[in-house]
Amino acid sequence: GAVVSQHPSRVICKSGTSVKIECRSLDFQATTMFWYRQFPKQSLMLMATSNEGSKATYEQGVEKDKFLINHASLTLSTLTVTSAHPEDSSFYICSARDPQGRGQPQHFGDGTRLSIL
Amino acid sequence: DAKTTQPNSMESNEEEPVHLPCNHSTISGTDYIHWYRQLPSQGPEYVIHGLTSNVNNRMASLAIAEDRKSSTLILHRATLRDAAVYYCILRGIQGAQKLVFGQGTRLTINP
Repeated sequence: GAVVSQHPSRVICKSGTSVKIECRSLDFQATTMFWYRQFPKQSLMLMATSNEGSKATYEQGVEKDKFLINHASLTLSTLTVTSAHPEDSSFYICSARDPQGRGQPQHFGDGTRLSIL
Repeated sequence: DAKTTQPNSMESNEEEPVHLPCNHSTISGTDYIHWYRQLPSQGPEYVIHGLTSNVNNRMASLAIAEDRKSSTLILHRATLRDAAVYYCILRGIQGAQKLVFGQGTRLTINP
């Protein structure tokens, strides 16, 4: 079964709305989670690394004031797209790394399809 | 992050083996080789990973070259449900251990 749960799976909203996406690790405590964005027919682009109890680390070119990340517990990270506009429409995917052992795989959520009208 | 090179697309027939190649000539000694796949409109799914030795699991086998500069993901008997984009990614053991995705190989399975 799924070990990372992402919610909601789909959001359609008006331009200017802020949208929050949740990512939960179900079977393990994740000190580190990752947020990706994927446009149609493209690969996943890493947006940021979410660190429990501290500030997220953003990849170059990703606006931290636009994409707010909060990782308040060992099982939950949230991504808030603030004042979303049509160009923010995309498929957002989170993942979590099981900290036990070296080289262990990441587990991905099923993604959130965000459509801004 | 060390880079990988994969063919853009491959095609195979149902119930036949599929060999998906990946080149990673700049791999470092502590980089693990990870394979994930992504079906349409879903998040990526872990397939297999390895460091030096060949690996087998219920989904696939991973053959790693002796010099570790290339690897091959082997699907022993492809089904239509194996049609996906397959990503070969190197991941270090230091820091956040983030996964950086390349373009992957789009695998088409013919019935």
